[in-house]
Amino acid sequence: GAVVSQHPSRVICKSGTSVKIECRSLDFQATTMFWYRQFPKQSLMLMATSNEGSKATYEQGVEKDKFLINHASLTLSTLTVTSAHPEDSSFYICSARLVRGGLDTQYFGPGTRLTVL
Amino acid sequence: SQKIEQNSEALNIQEGKTATLTCNYTNYSPAYLQWYRQDPGRGPVFLLLIRENEKEKRKERLKVTFDTTLKQSLFHITASQPADSATYLCALGKYSSASKIIFGSGTRLSIRP
Repeated sequence: GAVVSQHPSRVICKSGTSVKIECRSLDFQATTMFWYRQFPKQSLMLMATSNEGSKATYEQGVEKDKFLINHASLTLSTLTVTSAHPEDSSFYICSARLVRGGLDTQYFGPGTRLTVL
Repeated sequence: SQKIEQNSEALNIQEGKTATLTCNYTNYSPAYLQWYRQDPGRGPVFLLLIRENEKEKRKERLKVTFDTTLKQSLFHITASQPADSATYLCALGKYSSASKIIFGSGTRLSIRP
């Protein structure tokens, strides 16, 4: 149980285009999902917290107009990188929060490798 | 501010030995601590959770200890195998839906045959 999928796993796009990444919790409902970015050999960097039915909460330094987040249902959150540039190339990982017995565990998707040319 | 440190960026261990990874934290009082495994180009995978009132937790060849006085967790892999090679992340959390889980930067473990 507690499986999270991401689509696509890899995307290559031209500079200036927008890219949408989907994150789905397959066998549980998640009112909260998280979006992370990870550069090579570095730790996960939290970008934003996605809340179902409300606006996302962005971390300091993350442009909300550039990284659009939509959490339209209890099993789907999307991250759209608008007007992507080469510096946006990174590994994007989502996670879905599952709270059981008061304990908060995040289940991660497999990640999306974005390359902007 | 809150800080999590994982002992070393990389650790090399001979196959069959016990690998021990360390997670230290400051300016934080977690209710529980988690360990995740991450393989290159993949998302982290949840391994174990230990609560603040638990001293030790085991799962197969894995053992985690949690010392809230020392503000430290140790993660052990006994009888290590090359397949255990990965990056291991520790993460701290509280019993609150409003709080975020905080991740360490990870330790890259390599098990040589």
